[in-house]
Amino acid sequence: KNQVEQSPQSLIILEGKNCTLQCNYTVSPFSNLRWYKQDTGRGPVSLTIMTFSENTKSNGRYTATLDADTKQSSLHITASQLSDSASYICVVSALANAGKSTFGDGTTLTVKP
Amino acid sequence: SAVISQKPSRDICQRGTSLTIQCQVDSQVTMMFWYRQQPGQSLTLIATANQGSEATYESGFVIDKFPISRPNLTFSTLTVSNMSPEDSSIYLCSGAVTANTGELFFGEGSRLTVL
Repeated sequence: KNQVEQSPQSLIILEGKNCTLQCNYTVSPFSNLRWYKQDTGRGPVSLTIMTFSENTKSNGRYTATLDADTKQSSLHITASQLSDSASYICVVSALANAGKSTFGDGTTLTVKP
Repeated sequence: SAVISQKPSRDICQRGTSLTIQCQVDSQVTMMFWYRQQPGQSLTLIATANQGSEATYESGFVIDKFPISRPNLTFSTLTVSNMSPEDSSIYLCSGAVTANTGELFFGEGSRLTVL
């Protein structure tokens, strides 16, 4: 069964600090892994998308890594801001099946001043 | 990125009634999907909206409860029928530009509360 597990479930950090969110998956065959940011009451917004051959991708202060051998990904947020407070969702897609993505339960990040 | 617009953004409904949510996407989108996000949970795929034909439903979701239309490439509706409080959720329209890239774009969601 395809699964995506995220940790931690929630995280509180101080503004300006860095943090790393984890994602482990068992989706096969693997096509791509995406990280989304979902603000409260809003739809998810894509941060990064990585295919099998990519092991790191950055989007501003967000850097995602992918280890396809161990089936792990991380999302590193640098110099956090209050606006980073949101749920971060890891999503993994199997080959040729954009709609049949497997969603993690998300990590809720709270950045405090 | 693709632009996806949904309405209503939120609604409060009475038990036993039905609500139709509309979704408009820009012309880049080829595939459209409907998701449900229950409070505190992640997204669950309801169905794939197929242009001009019946939607493809996931396990646990049926057409009688969640009828979906997609009359053209850029427009779809989801109806939540005979609502109960358990249907209180956020319903999200999503689109993919191409089938194999896997990048999904989401609307802002429709927050439904059933009393």
